[in-house]
Amino acid sequence: DTGVSQNPRHKITKRGQNVTFRCDPISEHNRLYWYRQTLGQGPEFLTYFQNEAQLEKSRLLSDRFSAERPKGSFSTLEIQRTEQGDSAMYLCASTATGVDYEQYFGPGTRLTVT
Amino acid sequence: AQSVTQLGSHVSVSEGALVLLRCNYSSSVPPYLFWYVQYPNQGLQLLLKYTTGATLVKGINGFEAEFKKSETSFHLTKPSAHMSDAAEYFCAVSDRGNQGGKLIFGQGTELSVKP
Repeated sequence: DTGVSQNPRHKITKRGQNVTFRCDPISEHNRLYWYRQTLGQGPEFLTYFQNEAQLEKSRLLSDRFSAERPKGSFSTLEIQRTEQGDSAMYLCASTATGVDYEQYFGPGTRLTVT
Repeated sequence: AQSVTQLGSHVSVSEGALVLLRCNYSSSVPPYLFWYVQYPNQGLQLLLKYTTGATLVKGINGFEAEFKKSETSFHLTKPSAHMSDAAEYFCAVSDRGNQGGKLIFGQGTELSVKP
């Protein structure tokens, strides 16, 4: 078990560009979560998947944001037409329902929009 | 709706002193409660959790927390602070009815430890 991994760890992009982040959860974890954390704040929920189904999306997830988990394993989070307000740490977490209620977090992807 | 309030955005203690980080929650359903620690530029690591059973839960690195339903609190304590405890601490709540579900976090408390 290698833990939750996220790539890239850092991303600098210009306003208006599209970016995509990847999360690889712990194998056999059926739930995968995305959170966003801005400086000095706690993480805020964005969306989560159970297997390949996206079960809930936060109002924070504007139309510019889209997430997928096509085969129920890794997930991608895409932000289109990035804005400076999108600058944040994007955290991914996974868990196995019915086994444990702990969410295991990845190291995060830090996005800077210039 | 669920929410978490952490009292004090910054707490400073001397090495060897008691650590007390306060967390109050609001939940219309029975909650699961968690404390996570975050070191700079890293993800979150679970310190401890309350799901069911004993209301005093022990976690890693000597931390413990007590679930007090009547006070809607889940304060984190450690008898003796160590320099390595300096970090950001987050209290979080989730919905027991959804087998956990999304975490709602407090705003965090930065712990400083003075030598």
